[in-house]
Amino acid sequence: GEDVEQSLFLSVREGDSSVINCTYTDSSSTYLYWYKQEPGAGLQLLTYIFSNMDMKQDQRLTVLLNKKDKHLSLRIADTQTGDSAIYFCAEMRDTGRRALTFGSGTRLQVQP
Amino acid sequence: DVKVTQSSRYLVKRTGEKVFLECVQDMDHENMFWYRQDPGLGLRLIYFSYDVKMKEKGDIPEGYSVSREKKERFSLILESASTNQTSMYLCASSPAWSGTNTEAFFGQGTRLTVV
Repeated sequence: GEDVEQSLFLSVREGDSSVINCTYTDSSSTYLYWYKQEPGAGLQLLTYIFSNMDMKQDQRLTVLLNKKDKHLSLRIADTQTGDSAIYFCAEMRDTGRRALTFGSGTRLQVQP
Repeated sequence: DVKVTQSSRYLVKRTGEKVFLECVQDMDHENMFWYRQDPGLGLRLIYFSYDVKMKEKGDIPEGYSVSREKKERFSLILESASTNQTSMYLCASSPAWSGTNTEAFFGQGTRLTVV
């Protein structure tokens, strides 16, 4: 199967760290992505990780991949009000259909 | 600056109408995709195309068709619109798969309401 699951909502205070979690079922996933959608906008790629990596860091963003448990997380350090958005986890396999499969999205609310 | 442009931001159509959603990309990408986005369901793949005149069904193709006559344009067609097709529709494009990461670029979305 190709299910990708996320919790629907997360609320944090400005300056705290946010951790958004995602689980996937397809063990042939090659790339795992995090996209951000601000209100009224399309999706913007934040970061991605290749399945043979455990961790990737990019400024305030840290992606952790536990391939054994098929668990992916996105940590945002020093969360700002501008980080309020919907965050989507997505996967792509390297065989067969080369199209992104998305999770349901996690709405991050950052309170001042 | 890369761009995926969807022809309308908002559309209101009547039940039974034939509806065309247009998407154009200026990056010479081979791959193009149509998704619909619904609250709590995320993005679901309707159709996609790897090349001109080529199309593949996604996860929810029923009630939809597509057309790709030119590389830069990918149209989504609702043959007879129904109220359960009220949704946000997102178009995306990406380069051909090359064994390394290929980012997908998304349009702004078309919010379609069928009344």
